[in-house]
Amino acid sequence: AQRVTQPEKLLSVFKGAPVELKCNYSYSGSPELFWYVQYSRQRLQLLLRHISRESIKGFTADLNKGETSFHLKKPFAQEEDSAMYYCALSGLGTYKYIFGTGTRLKVLA
Amino acid sequence: DAGVIQSPRHEVTEMGQEVTLRCKPISGHDYLFWYRQTMMRGLELLIYFNNNVPIDDSGMPEDRFSAKMPNASFSTLKIQPSEPRDSAVYFCASSPGLGTQYFGPGTRLTVL
Repeated sequence: AQRVTQPEKLLSVFKGAPVELKCNYSYSGSPELFWYVQYSRQRLQLLLRHISRESIKGFTADLNKGETSFHLKKPFAQEEDSAMYYCALSGLGTYKYIFGTGTRLKVLA
Repeated sequence: DAGVIQSPRHEVTEMGQEVTLRCKPISGHDYLFWYRQTMMRGLELLIYFNNNVPIDDSGMPEDRFSAKMPNASFSTLKIQPSEPRDSAVYFCASSPGLGTQYFGPGTRLTVL
């Protein structure tokens, strides 16, 4: 079955602490992985994708095909990182996204 | 560019009524997607179009749901008749091709 699993509904960390949002996937084929973010009262928007291998707003994510994971990491959390984060995948060359159920990140002062 | 536009932003209706959600994609984007977001199931793809043609509607929950895209700048998602379990946030997204999707603000539907 094709699935994206985000095991934590809510993750609370203190400002300055490291953050790791977990994402595991199940897909028969070669997926492309994404992280989307939704800040309060804003639209869902792309944060990063594994193909581009970028760091956006200090966040990075590495695709681990052995563990079928695509965890999102940031070494030092900031209050403005508080948001809802969704992991998603699509098959390479396809347009059909599968989203996880999301993790709400709260960064405490 | 105002981005993807959805209307209405909020809709409250009674069970059995017809509901029509509207979406205007970003100009030049050939792909349009309809998603439903619920607490239990997260974000689910309902249907997507390429050049106004429905490509995959396997996510449409049942025959009460239908979607159309009469032209490149307009799409509708219709629920007839509506039921309380249809209450959710419905998102429209558009894309120029593979990769990033650009989401609208969503329509929050409440069916009483």
